[in-house]
Amino acid sequence: DQQVKQNSPSLSVQEGRISILNCDYTNSMFDYFLWYKKYPAEGPTFLISISSIKDKNEDGRFTVFLNKSAKHLSLHIVPSQPGDSAVYFCAASDNNNDMRFGAGTRLTVKP
Amino acid sequence: GAGVSQSPRYKVAKRGQDVALRCDPISGHVSLFWYQQALGQGPEFLTYFQNEAQLDKSGLPSDRFFAERPEGSVSTLKIQRTQQEDSAVYLCASSLVWDPGNTIYFGEGSWLTVV
Repeated sequence: DQQVKQNSPSLSVQEGRISILNCDYTNSMFDYFLWYKKYPAEGPTFLISISSIKDKNEDGRFTVFLNKSAKHLSLHIVPSQPGDSAVYFCAASDNNNDMRFGAGTRLTVKP
Repeated sequence: GAGVSQSPRYKVAKRGQDVALRCDPISGHVSLFWYQQALGQGPEFLTYFQNEAQLDKSGLPSDRFFAERPEGSVSTLKIQRTQQEDSAVYLCASSLVWDPGNTIYFGEGSWLTVV
């Protein structure tokens, strides 16, 4: 059962434009959401997170939006840079011992 | 070390062979996780340790999979009688203390190919 879904396997944007990565979840018990970034041959690295009591969290060029009623979150990167090219994983936790990950979206930022 | 260290980085095993994957978490990190990531998929939870205690092993796919962390630091994931479907990247992660607000730090993974 795929409780966290990233329906776009890939996304390509021009340098300087906005990148929007989307994530949907089905488990209403999830109360914490995270985005991880992964370069080839490396492990995922934490990027940004949001708890269910908020609807927005911003960190520099990265902003995560949470819409609990729609069970949807998104990651906005603006302006996008070529170094942002990576696979981005959405993850969710319900305060148990695990996190559920989406399948990832490969972002390519073209110079 | 500065980060989570995993070894071997790459392992090719013949079907039926036993393998052992090692994880050195960040020093002082109490919580340790193992994830399995198949090609084109996100990481899937396998098991969780708090110090030496294995508190959750609900994600282990079969009794061929076994994990231990006897001294609350280094952990080993053992896969017995490997099958082709075991081919995946095995990611280890650690955090100071687990709660959803704490970041967990991943290692680079051990890439297992069963032939």
